[in-house]
Amino acid sequence: GAGVSQSPRYKVAKRGQDVALRCDPISGHVSLFWYQQALGQGPEFLTYFQNEAQLDKSGLPSDRFFAERPEGSVSTLKIQRTQQEDSAVYLCASSKLAGGGVDTQYFGPGTRLTVL
Amino acid sequence: GNSVTQMEGPVTLSEEAFLTINCTYTATGYPSLFWYVQYPGEGLQLLLKATKADDKGSNKGFEATYRKETTSFHLEKGSVQVSDSAVYFCALSYGGSQGNLIFGKGTKLSVKP
Repeated sequence: GAGVSQSPRYKVAKRGQDVALRCDPISGHVSLFWYQQALGQGPEFLTYFQNEAQLDKSGLPSDRFFAERPEGSVSTLKIQRTQQEDSAVYLCASSKLAGGGVDTQYFGPGTRLTVL
Repeated sequence: GNSVTQMEGPVTLSEEAFLTINCTYTATGYPSLFWYVQYPGEGLQLLLKATKADDKGSNKGFEATYRKETTSFHLEKGSVQVSDSAVYFCALSYGGSQGNLIFGKGTKLSVKP
């Protein structure tokens, strides 16, 4: 079966532009996570959805970051007025059950965002 | 706060050598512990996990034991192969509404033939 897919795989934006990153989780997976991975670092949590409800957005670094999952499947991470420090790989992960935790999270290939 | 510390890389080994990648954690309560691996050009994938103290996770010849007394979850393999070359991430999670993973910085392993 299909895994988690993300698009675009690469995105170059000029500073100040808005970007939208898409995540298609595994069909039927309840939980969806977004992570940000800076070069040479481990992924850092951004936000968590259980179906369409955004239950945790404590990791979003600023109010320029916004995520949604309106129908409980596809999710979009939007970054407004991009800054150079937003350059990173953005990872999406989904898991079958609510809450993630001990349930295996399946990761997408990531979107590499470069802000010039 | 909760955090994971793993040994700095890169680690370079010859084929069939013994591998240890150290991982320690700081956490309250009883998190679950994970090792994820990222092969070149691929996404992160779960390698193994342990959900309570003294549990041993194992997969593909890799093992790690959840040691609460030393807050550690060291990854070991008795005989590495070139195909094990990858970046390895140690992580913890609590599940429930706090189901997000907290990762270490990663350790790059290169295995030479």
